[in-house]
Amino acid sequence: QVQLQESGPGLVKPSQTLSLTCTVSGGSISSGDYYWSWIRQAPGQGLEWIGYISNSGRTFYNPSLLSRVTISKDTSKNQFSLQLTSVTAADTAVYYCARQWGWTKGIDPWGQGTLVAVSS
Amino acid sequence: QSALTQPASVSGSPGQSITISCTGTGTDVGGYNYVSWYQQHPGNAPKLIIYNVSSRPSGVSNRFSGSKSDNTASLTISGLQAGDEGDYYCSSYTSVRTLVFGGGTKLTVL
Repeated sequence: QVQLQESGPGLVKPSQTLSLTCTVSGGSISSGDYYWSWIRQAPGQGLEWIGYISNSGRTFYNPSLLSRVTISKDTSKNQFSLQLTSVTAADTAVYYCARQWGWTKGIDPWGQGTLVAVSS
Repeated sequence: QSALTQPASVSGSPGQSITISCTGTGTDVGGYNYVSWYQQHPGNAPKLIIYNVSSRPSGVSNRFSGSKSDNTASLTISGLQAGDEGDYYCSSYTSVRTLVFGGGTKLTVL
């Protein structure tokens, strides 16, 4: 079955760019009618949807993060990535990558998540 | 887009049934049958347990059921078990083509 694994720095300085990669195994990010998504969870808080990239490369982002976020993919490596610019302490969170079944059928499966702290 | 409203906590005894509500507006929960529910155990990633308001993914127990009335969706867990303890989140598609989550509900099995 499809599995996802996040990777990237666990500490980012304020005003810098947060960059994470999600490696997908057990299935191709180029096949199927899925969206490949990022979701985050601040410590002790709820979930926030960040955005997705589709198998055709179309992206869609949470309007609250639109000016700072970019999601891209590398099909040769079966990976997709998140970049979040101009980070502040408010961006400290566990970041999850996941497969989204369009807009209607939920998000499943999820990666295990990776904690990114924003601190000098 | 504001987060959907869930109770902060609910509790029940083993064998009982509990219901968690998820209230939105006509531009999200009330406007579409695209509500999902997730279960999250401490330190783990969320797991999809309900999609399209009331559908269960393969392998999810039929003790979990979902429904919706107007702007409020509900998750019911019957025959409560100790392993059901954790956090539960609802989510909905919205009219501005995003997904919005609820604030989460902590379920305690007494």
